[in-house]
Amino acid sequence: EAQVTQNPRYLITVTGKKLTVTCSQNMNHEYMSWYRQDPGLGLRQIYYSMNVEVTDKGDVPEGYKVSRKEKRNFPLILESPSPNQTSLYFCASSLSGTDRGPQPQHFGDGTRLSIL
Amino acid sequence: SQQGEEDPQALSIQEGENATMNCSYKTSINNLQWYRQNSGRGLVHLILIRSNEREKHSGRLRVTLDTSKKSSSLLITASRAADTASYFCATDPSNAGNNRKLIWGLGTSLAVNP
Repeated sequence: EAQVTQNPRYLITVTGKKLTVTCSQNMNHEYMSWYRQDPGLGLRQIYYSMNVEVTDKGDVPEGYKVSRKEKRNFPLILESPSPNQTSLYFCASSLSGTDRGPQPQHFGDGTRLSIL
Repeated sequence: SQQGEEDPQALSIQEGENATMNCSYKTSINNLQWYRQNSGRGLVHLILIRSNEREKHSGRLRVTLDTSKKSSSLLITASRAADTASYFCATDPSNAGNNRKLIWGLGTSLAVNP
């Protein structure tokens, strides 16, 4: 089954304790992206990747890191989490639209992070 | 930055009625996409309409795009309780239409009452 898998789904942790949220897709998609969703602010893009070893900042990259060493994986790293990073996080992927025309994004089920 | 604005913010209808949601945006676009989000779940793609298209259908969904007014509408006909969800529009301002930086609206919350 084609899917985007995020882990963990839920995490409660404390300020300053490094954490990684994993994202994996099995659709051979070139494009991957991380969003956070907050009430009243909607979806905001954190980082995106157009392909392996190609990453770029979204609208709210501060406090986050990403890497894209393999096509299927795009982990989100919070080196020193703070309470303002408490949010619902989504990973998404799609085929590259550059040659094929625009493509829909496929989303994971989300990771709810609480930073105390 | 958010440029999509959905209207209304919330909509409550009876099963069997039609639901119409609108999305306005500010800059030129390559395409506009509609997504659905059930409570606590990830977003699911519904329809993508390119800037040179005016209308698209998918089952009970009908999307229109008016680039002169920078607006789109999503119509759900004969609604069902299972259509209860939040609906988001996303615009792709890139020339390549490659999803590099989609711009998302804040969504319309639809409640379909049995």
